Amino acid sequence: AQSVTQPDIHITVSEGASLELRCNYSYGATPYLFWYVQSPGQGLQLLLKYFSGDTLVQGIKGFEAEFKRSQSSFNLRKPSVHWSDAAEYFCALYNQAGTALIFGKGTTLSVSS
Amino acid sequence: KAGVTQTPRYLIKTRGQQVTLSCSPISGHRSVSWYQQTPGQGLQFLFEYFSETQRNKGNFPGRFSGRQFSNSRSEMNVSTLELGDSALYLCASSLGGSKGTEAFFGQGTRLTVV
Repeated sequence: AQSVTQPDIHITVSEGASLELRCNYSYGATPYLFWYVQSPGQGLQLLLKYFSGDTLVQGIKGFEAEFKRSQSSFNLRKPSVHWSDAAEYFCALYNQAGTALIFGKGTTLSVSS
Repeated sequence: KAGVTQTPRYLIKTRGQQVTLSCSPISGHRSVSWYQQTPGQGLQFLFEYFSETQRNKGNFPGRFSGRQFSNSRSEMNVSTLELGDSALYLCASSLGGSKGTEAFFGQGTRLTVV
């Protein structure tokens, strides 16, 4: 079955510190993977995507993610977190037909000063 | 270029009523999908339309239905509302037609059932 797991429900990081949000997936073939961010009461904004090719993908707002097939992971990273990065982050993959996104439960990021 | 527009942004309805939510996709996008977001269940897929045809449906009761018009705009309808239908309903649009196209989300419609 296809699924996405985000092991961390809530993470707190100091402003200026590095960040890594974990995402593990279960999928029978090469997945199409995404990271989205959601601010309170808002929709989802696409941070980055992985379809194929280079396993290190760059996104908006200084985020990057690395696809590791051997570990079934697609972790999101940022070298230096800003207070405005506080939000909820979702990892997702397309179903086989490419008609539906399967989301993880999300990780809430808090940034302390 | 305009993003995905959902209307209304907020709705309060009474149990047993029905509601219709609207979604206007990004110009040129032919696929529209709908998701329900609740604190307990997270983001769950409702259905997806491409060129007026429903291609996929999630595991929701028949009270939840949708349609897509020739201009790609989409509506979803929930009949006989229950308290548990209170949620943020998100619409996403994509070019569709192939798997490798990213989905862009609207701001959502916050539905409260009382």
